[in-house]
Amino acid sequence: AQSVTQLDSHVSVSEGTPVLLRCNYSSSYSPSLFWYVQHPNKGLQLLLKYTSAATLVKGINGFEAEFKKSETSFHLTKPSAHMSDAAEYFCVVMGGFQKLVFGTGTRLLVSP
Amino acid sequence: EPEVTQTPSHQVTQMGQEVILRCVPISNHLYFYWYRQILGQKVEFLVSFYNNEISEKSEIFDDQFSVERPDGSNFTLKIRSTKLEDSAMYFCASSVDQNTEAFFGQGTRLTVV
Repeated sequence: AQSVTQLDSHVSVSEGTPVLLRCNYSSSYSPSLFWYVQHPNKGLQLLLKYTSAATLVKGINGFEAEFKKSETSFHLTKPSAHMSDAAEYFCVVMGGFQKLVFGTGTRLLVSP
Repeated sequence: EPEVTQTPSHQVTQMGQEVILRCVPISNHLYFYWYRQILGQKVEFLVSFYNNEISEKSEIFDDQFSVERPDGSNFTLKIRSTKLEDSAMYFCASSVDQNTEAFFGQGTRLTVV
């Protein structure tokens, strides 16, 4: 069965510093992977997706993620954090026919 | 930009009552989903719906739950005989096909008292 593990429940950064949110996946075949973001009292917004094309995927708001098969990882990065990036981030794998499997989420805190 | 719309944003209901959560998916999407997130827990898949029938459901989606597309635009989740443990955020989503990303609504927070 497909699954994802988000290695940090909380990540704290200062504004202007890099962001790294870690995700490892488990899949019996080439996975489709996603990062979604959830701002307070908002829905889930797609940041980016990997579907076996380029291993470095660029998303919205300056985020990107790199698919590394050898490490079974799909970490989310951003060179410079902004206050508006504070939110909950979910690593997600396509778990089978039409089903998304979510990680437990990482809360990103950004301080001035 | 097209978006998935859910109503109401917050629903409070008494234990044992029936609730209907409503969703308007993106108009050209063909696949519809319900997920839920109990406070402090993972987002969990409930059900997917295509061509007017359920295509996949999780073990959570038992006889207490049902989905319907009553007209060309709405997609509903009905929960019968609500229990305290049904309290959660319920997300509706839709996608063009089964291999593309799902677009989520803002969620309905259901509180069972």
